Parts: sequence; C-alpha cells; structure tokens
Amino acid sequence: AQKVTQAQTEISVVEKEDVTLDCVYETRDTTYYLFWYKQPPSGELVFLIRRNSFDEQNEISGRYSWNFQKSTSSFNFTITASQVVDSAVYFCALSGNSGGYQKVTFGTGTKLQVIP
Amino acid sequence: NAGVTQTPKFQVLKTGQSMTLQCAQDMNHEYMSWYRQDPGMGLRLIHYSVGAGITDQGEVPNGYNVSRSTTEDFPLRLLSAAPSQTSVYFCASSKRQGYNEQFFGPGTRLTVL
Repeated sequence: AQKVTQAQTEISVVEKEDVTLDCVYETRDTTYYLFWYKQPPSGELVFLIRRNSFDEQNEISGRYSWNFQKSTSSFNFTITASQVVDSAVYFCALSGNSGGYQKVTFGTGTKLQVIP
Repeated sequence: NAGVTQTPKFQVLKTGQSMTLQCAQDMNHEYMSWYRQDPGMGLRLIHYSVGAGITDQGEVPNGYNVSRSTTEDFPLRLLSAAPSQTSVYFCASSKRQGYNEQFFGPGTRLTVL
C-alpha cells in the first residue's frame, strides 16, 4: 500500500519569511508520480506541480520550488518570501498502481498561515 | 469548457435516506474519482474510474456506489446515509489514469442528521 505523510499539521510564518512544507511518501512501485495541490480558504483544489519518479531535478517556479529526493522518499515544497495569498492548505499526493490501476493517495495536508 | 461540475453544492439528509451526488466533466478525461475531505484526514479516495464501464474501490468505499456509463458522468450514490458520511465530497478528473494532474470540482458539502 502506498502512503503519504505530511507531518506538519499547521505552520504560521510572518510575511516575507521562507517556509518549507515536508512530504514523505512510501511506495513499492518503481514508477510513480508525485503532486502538490493548494486549497485556499475558498475551498477549491488547485494543481501546483507533478513529478515522475525518474525525474529528480529540482523545480523552481517563481517563489515556489520543489525538492525531490528518492533516497529519502521526500518531495518538499518551499515558498520563498511568503505572501498572505499563500495562506492555504497544501496537499502532497502520490499516484502509483501497485500492479493494478493507478490510484492517487493524498497526505493529510499542511495548513499554512502567513501573517502580515 | 465548464471543467468539472458537481451538483448539488449543499445537501442535508436524514439518516437512512439515499441520494446521488452528480459529477460531470467536459474535457474528455478518462480518469475520474471521488474523494471525501474530513478535518485532519486530508482527501480520501472513495471510488474511481479509469474509463467508461470500469470502476474500482478506493480507501473508503463502504456505503457508496458508483457507475460510469459515459465518459462525461460519474455519479456517486449514497445507499443509506449515516452521520459518519457527513463530509465535503470532491469529484476530480484527469486525462489518463493517475499520470496527469487532476482537475477538481467545487465540492458538495453534505450533512447527515
């Protein structure tokens, strides 16, 4: 069975601080996909990034960056110079098939509060 | 494109009642899924479908039924509602099974009294 752990339940930072959201996963698959989604207070779920298991390159998109390390089964998300609009719940997710159909497993989410 | 639509947005049921949550997508996506979101539990997969006529169970399928007769629609049926099914339900779709990002509907907030 696959599993995603987001140990940080809630994080508060002051605006302009950097913050890293942790994601640790477990899977027996050799091919799998990792995702991050954002859920702002309005409630919708928004896709941020996808990574496949063969691509360990770090990714940067504006103030967002992601660090994928297979050796530690982690896919961490860093927000640089946080802003109030970054306040949201962030979910890490894993897609694997374990020999059957692809299933997506989400972590329990990290609630980020950015204080002005 | 409307994307993923869900109806209703809010629903209150009494214990034992049945109902169907509707989900539709207009992106010709193969893969559709239903999640429930409860405080502290994240999103948990109820059922999913990899194409018309093919469905499978997720983590928490008990008390729910699905079918997929068309590519566009993926309704979720509550057979006999229980207070434990009080939750926010999200439908999602993606181009292919699990490889691509999912597009989510706006959610249905269900309360079972």
